[in-house]
Amino acid sequence: DGGITQSPKYLFRKEGQNVTLSCEQNLNHDAMYWYRQDPGQGLRLIYYSQIVNDFQKGDIAEGYSVSREKKESFPLTVTSAQKNPTAFYLCASSGGLAGQYEQYFGPGTRLTVT
Amino acid sequence: GENVEQHPSTLSVQEGDSAVIKCTYSDSASNYFPWYKQELGKGPQLIIDIRSNVGEKKDQRIAVTLNKTAKHFSLHITETQPEDSAVYFCAAINNNDMRFGAGTRLTVKP
Repeated sequence: DGGITQSPKYLFRKEGQNVTLSCEQNLNHDAMYWYRQDPGQGLRLIYYSQIVNDFQKGDIAEGYSVSREKKESFPLTVTSAQKNPTAFYLCASSGGLAGQYEQYFGPGTRLTVT
Repeated sequence: GENVEQHPSTLSVQEGDSAVIKCTYSDSASNYFPWYKQELGKGPQLIIDIRSNVGEKKDQRIAVTLNKTAKHFSLHITETQPEDSAVYFCAAINNNDMRFGAGTRLTVKP
């Protein structure tokens, strides 16, 4: 069964702690993305990666970090430097050049920081 | 950078009626315009997309039109059904500059 998995679905953390969100895909896609979704707003791009060991900042990269050590995995770390981390986080992947083809989204992780 | 505005933010229609959602964009270099549907608690799913060399594309009850001169594009859903109820997002993309609209919550009343 092909697709993108994100875990966990819900995540709770205390302020000041780093937290890592998982994203795995078995679609053999080159490009992977992380978005943040807040109520009443569209998706905002945090980071994307075109190939292994390469990634680029999106519009709101401050306070986040990523790695792309394997083609199928693109974990996102929300650091304590992120001022407003509570949000719904979506991971996506696509074939071909980043942004130019259909993106397949995971089910999302809802992060709550108190 | 690109800026995408989407209207309306909420839309309620009767089953069988048509629904139209409109987006405008600012970057004339944007060349790819996908539309995504997001159901509650799920990730968005592509429903239709259009590239800048095409003015209109249709897939059964769904169609998208693009006016490059005016920099706007629209989603048209005909013969709406209750299962069309969801949040719809447009996006305008120029290479790896990806911007999404704020979303339209569509409710189809049976």
